[in-house]
This record gives sequence, C-alpha cells and structure tokens, in this order.
Amino acid sequence: AQSVTQLDSQVPVFEEAPVELRCNYSSSVSVYLFWYVQYPNQGLQLLLKYLSGSTLVKGINGFEAEFNKSQTSFHLRKPSVHISDTAEYFCAVSPFLMDSSYKLIFGSGTRLLVRP
Amino acid sequence: KAGVTQTPRYLIKTRGQQVTLSCSPISGHRSVSWYQQTPGQGLQFLFEYFSETQRNKGNFPGRFSGRQFSNSRSEMNVSTLELGDSALYLCATQTGQGAGELFFGEGSRLTVL
Repeated sequence: AQSVTQLDSQVPVFEEAPVELRCNYSSSVSVYLFWYVQYPNQGLQLLLKYLSGSTLVKGINGFEAEFNKSQTSFHLRKPSVHISDTAEYFCAVSPFLMDSSYKLIFGSGTRLLVRP
Repeated sequence: KAGVTQTPRYLIKTRGQQVTLSCSPISGHRSVSWYQQTPGQGLQFLFEYFSETQRNKGNFPGRFSGRQFSNSRSEMNVSTLELGDSALYLCATQTGQGAGELFFGEGSRLTVL
C-alpha cells in the first residue's frame, strides 16, 4: 500500500519570496510522483510529474520538484511566488501498474497563501 | 481541444435517493477515473474504466458503481445516498496507454440533505 504525507496544511508566504511545499511518501513498490494544483471551485491541474530519469523535475508556472529516493520525498519549490499562486497543492503517488493505468493516492493538501 | 466535461456541476439530493454523474473525456482518451473529494477524507480514488471495463477499484462500498460506454463517456452512480456522500466528485481522463498526463474535470458537487 502507499501513503502520502504533506507536512504543512497551510504555508503563508510573501509575494516574490521562495517557497517549498513538503511531501513524503511511503510505498513498498516503485511509484510515479505528481504535484497537482487546485484553484477554488475548479478541478486539479498537473504541475509536474516524476516517472523516471533525472530527479529534478521542472513543471509549469516556474515550479520544480526533486525526487529523493533515500528520503522518500518529493518537495515542490518555486524561487519567487506570485499572488496568483494562491491555491491548494496536492502531492500524489501512483504505483506502477502493468496496464499503464494510474491509481493516484493523494496527500491531504497544502494551502499556499501568498500575501502582497 | 475540449477538456473533460462533467455534468451536472451542482446537485442536491436527499438521503436514500440515488444519483448519476456523467463524464465526457477529452477526444481520444479511453481511460476514465473517478475521485471523491471531501474535507474530511481528502481525495480518494473510486474506480477507473478503460475500453468499457473496470480496470482498477478503490475501497468504496458497493453503493458506488460506474460504467463506461463505447464512446468512452462514463457515468458513476451512487445509490441509497448518505449524508457522508456529500462531496466533490472529480473525473479524470487519459489516453490509457503509457504514463500519459491525467486531465481532470471541474467536478460535480453533490450535497445530500
């Protein structure tokens, strides 16, 4: 079984400051790793994903994440945030499934609050 | 191209009733997954359909069911509604082959009174 822990339920930060949203996971099998963002009253949008290869993954809107297998972490970072980044961020994992399908297990989410 | 379309966007039901939610995937996407989002339990996987067959299933009671049609559109049904079924139900689609991106719809918000 898999589980995902997002250590911070809310992260307040000032505009143009850097931010890191933390994510740790537990799994007995290899997994794919994802970060999604959810704006109010909307669905989820993929920010980035790690499937294999380079452990530093770059995504949309200037976000990046680093996969650390030894620490089972996949923290999300952005060097300079904007007001428009205020949203809920979800870390998720999916086990490798033989049929190439996904079965996402989500963390509880981190609310990023960017203040002017 | 058009995104994932979920209908209805909002609905209110009473306990004991049943509800059917619909999801139209992006053209060419043959895999449709359903997730439930609640403040208490967060986002939880319900099930996934590919080529009209259920491929994966989460840990939900049998009151939750789904199906997929030959045009890849999917429906999920919840029977004998309980207050705890109040949630945002999200549909996500992908091509179904290879580790492609999963695209989410805006969801159907169900309120059970």
